[in-house]
Order: sequence, then structure tokens, then C-alpha cells
Amino acid sequence: DQQVKQNSPSLSVQEGRISILNCDYTNSMFDYFLWYKKYPAEGPTFLISISSIKDKNEDGRFTVFLNKSAKHLSLHIVPSQPGDSAVYFCAASAHGTSGSRLTFGEGTQLTVNP
Amino acid sequence: GAVVSQHPSWVICKSGTSVKIECRSLDFQATTMFWYRQFPKQSLMLMATSNEGSKATYEQGVEKDKFLINHASLTLSTLTVTSAHPEDSSFYICSAVSRRRASGANVLTFGAGSRLTVL
Repeated sequence: DQQVKQNSPSLSVQEGRISILNCDYTNSMFDYFLWYKKYPAEGPTFLISISSIKDKNEDGRFTVFLNKSAKHLSLHIVPSQPGDSAVYFCAASAHGTSGSRLTFGEGTQLTVNP
Repeated sequence: GAVVSQHPSWVICKSGTSVKIECRSLDFQATTMFWYRQFPKQSLMLMATSNEGSKATYEQGVEKDKFLINHASLTLSTLTVTSAHPEDSSFYICSAVSRRRASGANVLTFGAGSRLTVL
């Protein structure tokens, strides 16, 4: 049972345009959501997070939107840069902080073309 | 920032042997570490939660006698894959809870992962 799903295995965008990565979840107990970025042969690195009490969190070029009623979140990157090319994982936690167990999506490979 | 070091980064072993993977928090103490496993093009699957000074908590379906976890200190957790078989070949990643200086929020910091190939 995949509780966190990223339905798009890959996404390709032009440099300077917006990248939108999507994530859906099924467990209504999830109350904290994170996005991680992963380069080949490296571990995931934390990008941005959002608590379920918010519907938007912004950090520089990265913005995460949460739609609790739809159990959907998205990561917007604007403007996209070639260095953003990586696999992006959506993750969720049911205990309010990332200090507990995370459930990950399958990841989306983002390619930003110069 | 917080750094988690994982060693070895890759290992090849013969079927039936045991392999130990180390996970260290380099500049912070971690009472809890997590071990994940990732198959190609799949998500990171949590295997177990490693607790300093006590037994690990395993996820459903993970054999605790096959994947031995020891968290002997606040900076080190080890995962031993015992009697490894080709189906154990995978990418194993550890993580530890660290605190972000700017926000004070807890985040998971991941190691770089260890790729295990069992022949």
C-alpha cells in the first residue's frame, strides 16, 4: 500500500521556466510533509517542509503548496536552473515533526534543460 | 550543517557472507537513526528505527535476524546484513535527526548511502 505517491516518474522543463512536482497521499494522519532532493550516488538532502496547519511555505525559489482536502501537495521551483536536475522525493510524517518515521514517494526525476 | 557519514559507499560480497554498514553523525548526537532501503526507481522504504542503547524497531516484513542493527553510541549505528543473498542487493541509506540552526526545526539528515551487491 503506497501511502505517498508521485505519479510522474520524470519531468523535463526549460531553464528559467517553472517546475511543478506533484505528490498525493492517502493517510489522513499525515500532518507534516517534506521534499527531499537526491543526486545520483548521494543521500537525499532536505529542501523544504510544510506543516498541515499551513497551505503554503516559501523558501527562495522553492514553494510548497498543501491541499489537505485533496490530500495533495506540490513543489514549485521558479525559475528552474540546470543545477536543479535531480530526483525529488516527497515524504510525509504522522507525528508532527520530521523526527519520526517518514513515508516516501517513489520520486520524480526532474531535468532542467539549458 | 549536520553531516551523516555512511561507510562503505559500495560493497560487493559473495552470497552467504555478512556485510556491516556504518552510519555516523559527525557533528551532532543522534539518539535515533533510521535505516532505509531503496530499489531502483522505487521509493525509500523504512526498514527500522535504531535507538541508542536499546533494541531497534523493525518495520513489518523486515527480518530482524537478517538485518541486525546496533546503536551502541550517540553517534554510531550499524546495519549488518547477515548471510547475504543476491536479493539483498540494494541501496541502503541511513538518516539521523538533526536540528536546523535557522529555524530550530528537526529535520532528517541522510547519509550518502551504501550500495550492496551480492554475487
